[in-house]
Amino acid sequence: EAGVTQSPTHLIKTRGQQATLRCSPISGHTSVYWYQQALGLGLQFLLWYDEGEERNRGNFPPRFSGRQFPNYSSELNVNALELEDSALYLCASSTRTSGRPYNEQFFGPGTRLTVL
Amino acid sequence: SQQGEEDPQALSIQEGENATMNCSYKTSINNLQWYRQNSGRGLVHLILIRSNEREKHSGRLRVTLDTSKKSSSLLITASRAADTASYFCATDARSSYKLIFGSGTRLLVRP
Repeated sequence: EAGVTQSPTHLIKTRGQQATLRCSPISGHTSVYWYQQALGLGLQFLLWYDEGEERNRGNFPPRFSGRQFPNYSSELNVNALELEDSALYLCASSTRTSGRPYNEQFFGPGTRLTVL
Repeated sequence: SQQGEEDPQALSIQEGENATMNCSYKTSINNLQWYRQNSGRGLVHLILIRSNEREKHSGRLRVTLDTSKKSSSLLITASRAADTASYFCATDARSSYKLIFGSGTRLLVRP
């Protein structure tokens, strides 16, 4: 069974540009989660999508946005990039029970975004 | 602030020894999970323990949960060099719809 895949592996952008990161969940999983792991700041929850809708978002500005497609894959967009956006962006997927992320989340390898 | 905080931040042991990591959290939870991350890559799910469970085993892993103290521990027995990684606890708080990760424990197992 294929795991969660993310693309690209690495992404280099300059300040002010936009970045698009992609994630394909495990087959059968309807929930997709995005996390930011910046150096020294740990893993921060960004967004949760399920059945095509945004279910929850973390404490990030609106320039962090995303969407989930009918095939449950997801895109994370970061507009007006700032230097501090440099981080490893992790996507995870899970099944969903009773509207809560009860179940274990399966993570992709991540996209390392560098903003120059 | 982070829901989960791990202790210690870093741990160095000899191969064959046991490693114990602790996690504390602040609010009521539905479940607590432990993950491993190798060298800044994706996280690997290790074990999930529900709030009504007190102990769980999986191979060389043993997890305990004390909801009265709002704490959990992860024990890795007979450690191997391949266990070298960062370990994170994550809680599914009842008051929110997200998984909140702790700051992690960096484990180094020396051959």
